[in-house]
Amino acid sequence: GQQVMQIPQYQHVQEGEDFTTYCNSSTTLSNIQWYKQRPGGHPVFLIQLVKSGEVKKQKRLTFQFGEAKKNSSLHITATQTTDVGTYFCAGQGDTGRRALTFGSGTRLQVQP
Amino acid sequence: DTAVSQTPKYLVTQMGNDKSIKCEQNLGHDTMYWYKQDSKKFLKIMFSYNNKELIINETVPNRFSPKSPDKAHLNLHINSLELGDSAVYFCASGLWGVGDEQYFGPGTRLTVT
Repeated sequence: GQQVMQIPQYQHVQEGEDFTTYCNSSTTLSNIQWYKQRPGGHPVFLIQLVKSGEVKKQKRLTFQFGEAKKNSSLHITATQTTDVGTYFCAGQGDTGRRALTFGSGTRLQVQP
Repeated sequence: DTAVSQTPKYLVTQMGNDKSIKCEQNLGHDTMYWYKQDSKKFLKIMFSYNNKELIINETVPNRFSPKSPDKAHLNLHINSLELGDSAVYFCASGLWGVGDEQYFGPGTRLTVT
């Protein structure tokens, strides 16, 4: 079955440093979504990428979808304490399976 | 004005008991989901309903039975609770189609003692 792996599992940065999390799927995806879960909270949708090689930006966050549509990354520039949380990628297969397969998540801790 | 709501927020119960979790969405979505998040934060889909029809049924013990009385509601009933069922259960909703973003409820933390 489809597997989505995410690295690193955990990252601790100083406020102002950059952060990147990587997501790799075992199969080609029709699209990939990113979610953020604050401690004690629920996953909140951030963005969706559909096209091969697509790059999208949301303020300090940059999202990329690989050319082969099997990997993705989220990069945060100049982290802030409000960025603390767990970031999940979630892939949707391209063979009719509609369910999202979530990555294992990257927990980001930002030290002020 | 909550978009996706779940009750209860916390549930503490003993092994062997039967319990239910309720979910409601007021977003007009046609698809609803149940996810289980374990202590290591892995988020795994359990079930999905589209227009009250079960469309995704992952490898879940048959002690878990979802029910969707209408498009806005999806409940989860669990029989004979086991210690391993302890987790946070999230309900989510979305629109069926390519790349339907999902809106999650606040979660129900289930603790089985």
